[in-house]
Amino acid sequence: QKEVEQNSGPLSVPEGAIASLNCTYSDRGSQSFFWYRQYSGKSPELIMSIYSNGDKEDGRFTAQLNKASQYVSLLIRDSQPSDSATYLCAPRETDKLIFGTGTRLQVFP
Amino acid sequence: SQTIHQWPATLVQPVGSPLSLECTVEGTSNPNLYWYRQAAGRGLQLLFYSVGIGQISSEVPQNLSASRPQDRQFILSSKKLLLSDSGFYLCAWSGGLAGGPPYEQYFGPGTRLTVT
Repeated sequence: QKEVEQNSGPLSVPEGAIASLNCTYSDRGSQSFFWYRQYSGKSPELIMSIYSNGDKEDGRFTAQLNKASQYVSLLIRDSQPSDSATYLCAPRETDKLIFGTGTRLQVFP
Repeated sequence: SQTIHQWPATLVQPVGSPLSLECTVEGTSNPNLYWYRQAAGRGLQLLFYSVGIGQISSEVPQNLSASRPQDRQFILSSKKLLLSDSGFYLCAWSGGLAGGPPYEQYFGPGTRLTVT
């Protein structure tokens, strides 16, 4: 059974700080990784994808991938209260994504 | 641009009643299609996925079924609902020829089902 582990949180950070969200996965064959944001009561929204080891930056978001350690992370710089949501990590397995249960992020003013 | 629709947005059904949820995608062809369920406070559970018309893969044995009668239409059904079927049902699509990239999945707005 392929597994994706995320700390459920909540992770509380002050406005303007860097939020660091972490994810480990069990399938060494995974080559593609995705981060989704889900606001309460809403459907998940894709925010980042990463395919290669290293960092990938998009605006305030940076995804980091280390396939040897089976670890992927998401950094949110200059966190805003509007970033308060649950963040889901999802490695790809053939035609499917395997979702973690998510980390709840709370950004307080 | 691509758009994914789901309806209805909310549904309240009695135990033992049938269910039909529909999902359609616009602006793409031959998408992979997915049905997920999210129970209250829980993670996403993949129920079914389809890589083409009439091709359905089931991930979890249950009283639900799925069909793909057209390229961009995916239907989730049940003959008799159980209380445990309550949840947030999400349809998603991904593009790419023959299962190749891009692999990103995009979700519809979801249907919130309450079985009473």
